[in-house]
Amino acid sequence: SYELTQPPSVSVSPGQTARITCSGDALPKQFAYWYQQKPGQAPVLMMSKDTERPSGIPERFSGSSSGTTVTLTISGVQAEDEADYYCQSADSIGTYKLFGGGTKLTVL
Amino acid sequence: QVQLVQSGAEVKKPGASVKVSCKASGYTFITYDINWVRQATGQGLEWMGWMNPKSNNTASAQKFQGRLTMTRNTSISTVYMELSSLRSEDTAVYYCARAPSMTTLTGDYWGQGTLVTVSS
Repeated sequence: SYELTQPPSVSVSPGQTARITCSGDALPKQFAYWYQQKPGQAPVLMMSKDTERPSGIPERFSGSSSGTTVTLTISGVQAEDEADYYCQSADSIGTYKLFGGGTKLTVL
Repeated sequence: QVQLVQSGAEVKKPGASVKVSCKASGYTFITYDINWVRQATGQGLEWMGWMNPKSNNTASAQKFQGRLTMTRNTSISTVYMELSSLRSEDTAVYYCARAPSMTTLTGDYWGQGTLVTVSS
């Protein structure tokens, strides 16, 4: 079955740049979305359609896509960015949605 | 403002069914799909299925087909998710989320989550 693959963890120091990747064979055909989830809270949409930042999301968050990999980049990481991040997309037909396994971002 | 308010926590025995509600407000109910996502403790997000409240069309992830039923009551802007034949592995927080119809987005707004515990 189709899967989206994310690294389990990423660690950066405050002020540095964090890059979280998500790989999947259908990503050239389907948009990817990124969610941030903090403990005990519902997910929050951080990036839409690979590169579109929803209203209210800080400019330090950006998205990119290249082939079968999409990347969420956080420039100038702040302590408040420490959270789990999930990519989400759909199968090649677009009927069934799925999430990556999630990446825990640790701010050192 | 857009809000999705879910029903309260449930405790069910194995083999039973659970029905979780998701009441929408702050937007035109029938113009957005509702997706259901669950998360077991310490685990990742798992997409379960979506419903279009206008057409009543639904789609479910393969692993839930036959056990997952999504319905709606447009008069009170509420979508329901019913999961049957519960087992301990179904213990999780269940979320509803709103998404524009005809998109692959799961949710731009999310409910607060409903904890479902399956235990004998």
